[in-house]
Amino acid sequence: SQQGEEDPQALSIQEGENATMNCSYKTSINNLQWYRQNSGRGLVHLILIRSNEREKHSGRLRVTLDTSKKSSSLLITASRAADTASYFCATVLATDSWGKLQFGAGTQVVVTP
Amino acid sequence: EAGVAQSPRYKIIEKRQSVAFWCNPISGHATLYWYQQILGQGPKLLIQFQNNGVVDDSQLPKDRFSAERLKGVDSTLKIQPAKLEDSAVYLCASSRAPYGYTFGSGTRLTVV
Repeated sequence: SQQGEEDPQALSIQEGENATMNCSYKTSINNLQWYRQNSGRGLVHLILIRSNEREKHSGRLRVTLDTSKKSSSLLITASRAADTASYFCATVLATDSWGKLQFGAGTQVVVTP
Repeated sequence: EAGVAQSPRYKIIEKRQSVAFWCNPISGHATLYWYQQILGQGPKLLIQFQNNGVVDDSQLPKDRFSAERLKGVDSTLKIQPAKLEDSAVYLCASSRAPYGYTFGSGTRLTVV
């Protein structure tokens, strides 16, 4: 089974609205990362949050991490049509010294103009 | 900074044929990864190299998949013979800790 599980599987919103997606994981982590994938393209790194951090911001993105609940959330504020993509969370386990990323199944986000 | 280069972009082969994918990581990135992404799923790690040594190939189907990283730079992933279930996007990524990965655009493989 996968380490990370995203929720919801799919999200449809209108431009200007906020989009929130969640990620839960099973095993203690060193860090958690969020990636975006446009259709037919490679993944783009968005944010990395370490296990001792609780919140990080990057432009219109806000990521939170709750290690007690083993969960993270990604918030995209004031969404744009260009934000249409699949979003994946990925974790590096606390026991993994090589930094191997384990991905969830992703949340497919559609932003309509 | 140039990105991770992958080729070919697309490949269609018949089952039981062989295929090879090539990856050139970002200069200076010691760690290189090959991921398999089946449609509708998240990427699954196949193999991880640190310089030219393998550090994790536990999920690589070694009866048909092989990979090498020459001189700690370029890498090739080979499938021989291919099966229908190998149809997927094969993603190469490189990283320099403690930063995130940089992915290439991937090779979309269709096995018919």
